[in-house]
Amino acid sequence: EDQVTQSPEALRLQEGESSSLNCSYTVSGLRGLFWYRQDPGKGPEFLFTLYSAGEEKEKERLKATLTKKESFLHITAPKPEDSATYLCAVQGGANSKLTFGKGITLSVRP
Amino acid sequence: NAGVTQTPKFQVLKTGQSMTLQCAQDMNHEYMSWYRQDPGMGLRLIHYSVGAGITDQGEVPNGYNVSRSTTEDFPLRLLSAAPSQTSVYFCASSKGQKVLNTEAFFGQGTRLTVV
Repeated sequence: EDQVTQSPEALRLQEGESSSLNCSYTVSGLRGLFWYRQDPGKGPEFLFTLYSAGEEKEKERLKATLTKKESFLHITAPKPEDSATYLCAVQGGANSKLTFGKGITLSVRP
Repeated sequence: NAGVTQTPKFQVLKTGQSMTLQCAQDMNHEYMSWYRQDPGMGLRLIHYSVGAGITDQGEVPNGYNVSRSTTEDFPLRLLSAAPSQTSVYFCASSKGQKVLNTEAFFGQGTRLTVV
């Protein structure tokens, strides 16, 4: 059974204070690891897909990396508008089902 | 191009009532799914469909039915609502399992309260 664990549950940062969010996973035959952003009252919004260990992707202040056991979402010099819940999900085997972690709630203070 | 559209946005039901949550996508995606999101539990898969006429159960299917008569629509039916089904429901779609770039696109959610 695929499993995803995200840590910490919540993270409070000062504006400009860089940090990383962790996603540990176990999956049979990784087809993709996904990061989503979710704002209160909204549906998850797609950020990145990573397919193999060593892969990295960047978007503005966010950078996602992948190893065989975990993924990190690095946030460089965050701004208050980066405050949201960040979800990690894996897709394994021969189907399209996603297994999600419980999410990390990020708060960035001005 | 509206993406994934869910209706209604909010709903209050009495215990024992039935209702259908609607989901439509205009991206010609093969794969569609329903999740529920509860505090401290994350997103949990209820049912999914890999194409028109094909559905299967996810992690928490009890008390819910689905059907997929067209590529665009994937309604979720609550047969006899229970307070335990109070949750936020999300519909998602993606291109399917035969291609890369299988990221899922989500609707805005339906907040359901069962009293």
